Amino acid sequence: DIVMTQSPHSLAVSLGERATINCKSSQSVLYTSNNKNYLAWYQQKPGQPPKLLIYWASTRKSGVPDRFSGSGSGTDFTLTISSLQAEDVAVYYCHQYYSTPWTFGQGTKVEIK
Amino acid sequence: QVQLVESGGGVVQPGRSLRLSCAASGSTFSSYGMHWVRQAPGKGLEWVALIYSDGSKKYYGDSVKGRFTISRDNSKNTLFLQMNRLRVEDTAVYYCASDSSTHGNGAFDMWGQGTMVIVSS
Repeated sequence: DIVMTQSPHSLAVSLGERATINCKSSQSVLYTSNNKNYLAWYQQKPGQPPKLLIYWASTRKSGVPDRFSGSGSGTDFTLTISSLQAEDVAVYYCHQYYSTPWTFGQGTKVEIK
Repeated sequence: QVQLVESGGGVVQPGRSLRLSCAASGSTFSSYGMHWVRQAPGKGLEWVALIYSDGSKKYYGDSVKGRFTISRDNSKNTLFLQMNRLRVEDTAVYYCASDSSTHGNGAFDMWGQGTMVIVSS
């Protein structure tokens, strides 16, 4: 199984400041035949289901604010919120869909400082 | 895009069975692979099962293999999860989620609101 490890477990950021979440996979999720990283990011607010933010490691889903961006390749990935807003308070999960069983990181809780 | 609504959750004793449903509307249900994902109280996300868009293949997480069965009825736009021999550790919110591809090799594009399953004596 591919183990997804996120860091930090939680972080507190001031409004308008940058938040950075890291995700490391135990093996590469880059499919060389199409040069795509099978890595997604989700946002989950309390009492709500997860919501897809980023797929293919760096493609923002339609309607997601452009302050959210994803980067990385192979085994190391980053989700960046460029200017934290109050509505961004949530838990964020990375997810690999490269191979079964599909696995998620343990989540990173983002709060306002 | 597809909209998803789960039902069928509840309180059940260990060893008993429960069947979850996920009704889809809005887009072409039969075009997408479908997943079940669960979340134990206060915990993270755990993938449970996948079924291809045409139902031809199914995959399961190790913790449910041999006890749970995923199925779908494309004529009724509905996904199912038959859960047998339930254990206390199966207690969780169960979400259905649509894959952005037909064969489960895409991100989980849309999620239902979830249905709670509590396994307790």
